[in-house]
Amino acid sequence: EIVLTQSPATLSLSPGESATLSCRASQSVSSYLAWYQQRPGQAPRLLIYDASKRATGTPPRFSGSGSGTDFTLTISSLEPEDFAVYYCQQRSDWPRTFGPGTKVDVK
Amino acid sequence: QVQLVQSGAEVKKPGASVKVSCKASGFTFGIYTISWVRQAPGQGPEWMGWISAETGKTRNAQKLQGRVSMTTDTSTSTAYLELRSLRSDDTAVYYCARDRVAGGTTGDFDYWGQGTLVTVSS
Repeated sequence: EIVLTQSPATLSLSPGESATLSCRASQSVSSYLAWYQQRPGQAPRLLIYDASKRATGTPPRFSGSGSGTDFTLTISSLEPEDFAVYYCQQRSDWPRTFGPGTKVDVK
Repeated sequence: QVQLVQSGAEVKKPGASVKVSCKASGFTFGIYTISWVRQAPGQGPEWMGWISAETGKTRNAQKLQGRVSMTTDTSTSTAYLELRSLRSDDTAVYYCARDRVAGGTTGDFDYWGQGTLVTVSS
């Protein structure tokens, strides 16, 4: 199965700063990569699909890029509600797999 | 609005079975694929399988083969997950999630249930 690794494990930033999160796949997933946000006690929320397409309701400060094995999620200016855990997920092959997550917390 | 409402928390003993329900509203249930995803404490999500509400066709993660069943009742717009021969490492929050594209199995999930905590403990 395709293994996704995310870095860093934790990112400590202040509101207004920008965040750059990375996801690397063990083999090419083309552009079939999604990003989810999960706040404590809530279900994951789809932010980005197909590497760079914003899902309905995703604010424009969230952007995704990459293809093949290396992907990036950028949050341009952190709002208080953006402090959460972010997961990448591939849909290139079965089984669908998720990364271990990057926690963005308040510095 | 689109909603997926799941059944309540369960506590089971090792070797038992659990059945979780997921009632859909706000969209045409019969044309979507529903996946089940679980998340153990402190871990990333794990995809378990999907079911087509239209055809009843399923696909499961190989590691769960033989222990998992997914069904739907289109008359009540409800999906069900049954997991048998429970072990302690099945302790997790179980989510149902709708596929992003009607009639497809894209494997992106745009709406999720609120989650059902299943605890397996002797």
